[in-house]
Amino acid sequence: DTEVTQTPKHLVMGMTNKKSLKCEQHMGHRAMYWYKQKAKKPPELMFVYSYEKLSINESVPSRFSPECPNSSLLNLHLHALQPEDSALYLCASSRTGVRGPNNSPLHFGNGTRLTVT
Amino acid sequence: QQPVQSPQAVILREGEDAVINCSSSKALYSVHWYRQKHGEAPVFLMILLKGGEQKGHEKISASFNEKKQQSSLYLTASQLSYSGTYFCGTELREYGNKLVFGAGTILRVKS
Repeated sequence: DTEVTQTPKHLVMGMTNKKSLKCEQHMGHRAMYWYKQKAKKPPELMFVYSYEKLSINESVPSRFSPECPNSSLLNLHLHALQPEDSALYLCASSRTGVRGPNNSPLHFGNGTRLTVT
Repeated sequence: QQPVQSPQAVILREGEDAVINCSSSKALYSVHWYRQKHGEAPVFLMILLKGGEQKGHEKISASFNEKKQQSSLYLTASQLSYSGTYFCGTELREYGNKLVFGAGTILRVKS
C-alpha cells in the first residue's frame, strides 16, 4: 500500500470541463510534487511545493493550476484541457525536498489516469 | 537536462546479472534510482550523493562517479520480481529540489 493517496484513480473529462485531482500524505513530508507520465515515458516534473509554497513550475500551461492548502494536501485543478493532456498524473512527497537534509527519496502515489475527450 | 540511460531494454534469465547506466552532461548533486512495475507507482531503490559512493540493497547496488557524472545500477542473481522499468533521477548541482528522470530501462527477467 502506498502512503501517498491520490483520488480519483481514473478521470474522463471533456475539453470544456473543470475538474481537480487530489493528493494526500500523512507522513509529515514538507515537499510535494506533481509529475505527468505518458505511456512508456518517464515521469515528467510539473510542479514542486516546498513548505506549502510553490518553488518550481516547469513552464506548465495555465490550464493546470496547482494548490497546496496545507502540508498534507496537494491539488491540481484542471480547466480547458486538450486531448494531448491525457496521461497518468503522479503525486509524490518527500521529507524535506530532494536537497533537504539526508536528501529525501520521493514517495509516489498510484496516480490518476486522466483521459481528455 | 534529462539524463541518458542505457541500455533501453534488457532480458535476463533468473540468476543472471545486469548493469544499467545513467549519465549526465551537467554536474550532478545526487542520483536516485527507482523501479516501476506496470500499472504501479515508481518505488524508491536508493540515493547516491557523494562522488564514488556505492550503496547496496540486497542484491541491488549502485555506484556514483561524481567526476564523470555517471551512475550505474547493478542487479546480481536476478529474480523474477526484478522485472520492471528502472529510472534514474538526477539532481543537478545548479538546481535544487528538482529531480529529472531518464527515459528508463525495461528489465524483463524470465524463468
